[in-house]
Amino acid sequence: ETGVTQTPRHLVMGMTNKKSLKCEQHLGHNAMYWYKQSAKKPLELMFVYNFKEQTENNSVPSRFSPECPNSSHLFLHLHTLQPEDSALYLCASSQRMGDGNEKLFFGSGTQLSVL
Amino acid sequence: AQKITQTQPGMFVQEKEAVTLDCTYDTSDQSYGLFWYKQPSSGEMIFLIYQGSYDEQNATEGRYSLNFQKARKSANLVISASQLGDSAMYFCAMREGLRGGADGLTFGKGTHLIIQP
Repeated sequence: ETGVTQTPRHLVMGMTNKKSLKCEQHLGHNAMYWYKQSAKKPLELMFVYNFKEQTENNSVPSRFSPECPNSSHLFLHLHTLQPEDSALYLCASSQRMGDGNEKLFFGSGTQLSVL
Repeated sequence: AQKITQTQPGMFVQEKEAVTLDCTYDTSDQSYGLFWYKQPSSGEMIFLIYQGSYDEQNATEGRYSLNFQKARKSANLVISASQLGDSAMYFCAMREGLRGGADGLTFGKGTHLIIQP
């Protein structure tokens, strides 16, 4: 079992659908993140949760809505997406130590296709 | 301006040869951290190695080493004795300051490494 689990692995949805991505970490970490990975572009940080509180929102459109009910679970709720939102969505977790050295542990991602 | 530049979109290397993946960075912070991640076709990003800006020694982790040249702002990854399983995307990343977490963690566009038998 990997430390960070994401479901589903693949998702195809229409522009009018509502779906959710799920992430669960089994590492006892206190911070979780959503990243977007598009083809030929660097990873883009979307959301950061530190001790269940959102601390960063990098100007992500409101059609993406994160939820962090506890330090082990993270969701990304999707509604009325656009085709350009098709990408690999990666979840990560880390243990905040404040020294800048903390490593991010990633899940395998959800490959999202918006039709 | 890009903060992390990886100039090699793709590389082909013979098995058992050493590989150097280039990474240059741009920051005005005195304290920062540099990371390398590997992403196989399965999609998961795997942490490989870390170098702190104040570390005097180059970081090493098994077959991975980081050639850190602070004055040139470069942090190249060296893989010794490459193996077929090393075929993957490789990403260089930087965290600026000492805030910790993903705040300020910037990734490059990656290098697609293919090891040939």
